[in-house]
Amino acid sequence: AQSVAQPEDQVNVAEGNPLTVKCTYSVSGNPYLFWYVQYPNRGLQFLLKYITGDNLVKGSYGFEAEFNKSQTSFHLKKPSALVSDSALYFCAVRPPYGGATNKLIFGTGTLLAVQP
Amino acid sequence: SAVISQKPSRDICQRGTSLTIQCQVDSQVTMMFWYRQQPGQSLTLIATANQGSEATYESGFVIDKFPISRPNLTFSTLTVSNMSPEDSSIYLCSVDRLGTEGNTIYFGEGSWLTVV
Repeated sequence: AQSVAQPEDQVNVAEGNPLTVKCTYSVSGNPYLFWYVQYPNRGLQFLLKYITGDNLVKGSYGFEAEFNKSQTSFHLKKPSALVSDSALYFCAVRPPYGGATNKLIFGTGTLLAVQP
Repeated sequence: SAVISQKPSRDICQRGTSLTIQCQVDSQVTMMFWYRQQPGQSLTLIATANQGSEATYESGFVIDKFPISRPNLTFSTLTVSNMSPEDSSIYLCSVDRLGTEGNTIYFGEGSWLTVV
């Protein structure tokens, strides 16, 4: 079955330190991979995606993610965390086939808490 | 990106009533999606709405409970029928937009429904 795993319910990091939010997936073929952020009482905002090409993808707000095909991972990273980065982060995968399967499969989300 | 407007943004509904959520996109899109996010949970796809055809529902969701309209390429509605407290969720509209770097799925701000 196709799935996305975010093994950490919460990640705590001090402001200024690097952060990593982990994501692994189980999808056949070459999927599209996405990260979204949800701030309190808000909808989902697109951060970045990987479709093909360079394994290191840069996105909004200084975030980046590294696609690792052998480990089927797509971890979200930022060199220096800000308190304002505190939010719920979702990893999502879209299977590589079009049509009705354009849907996203979401992980369970990771709450990032950045302490001042 | 895409500008996606949802109405209502929030509502408190009485048990047994129905509510229709509207989703307006700033430009034409082929595919629109409706997701549900139950409290403290991840997102689950309810259905895919294409203009000119019936919506395609995911397992566990039925048209009688969640009727969807897609009258044109910029607008869709989702109705939550005969609501119960278990329907208290965030309902999110999303669109699949083709850009210079492939497809990206964007989300609206969500409609936060509480059923009492």
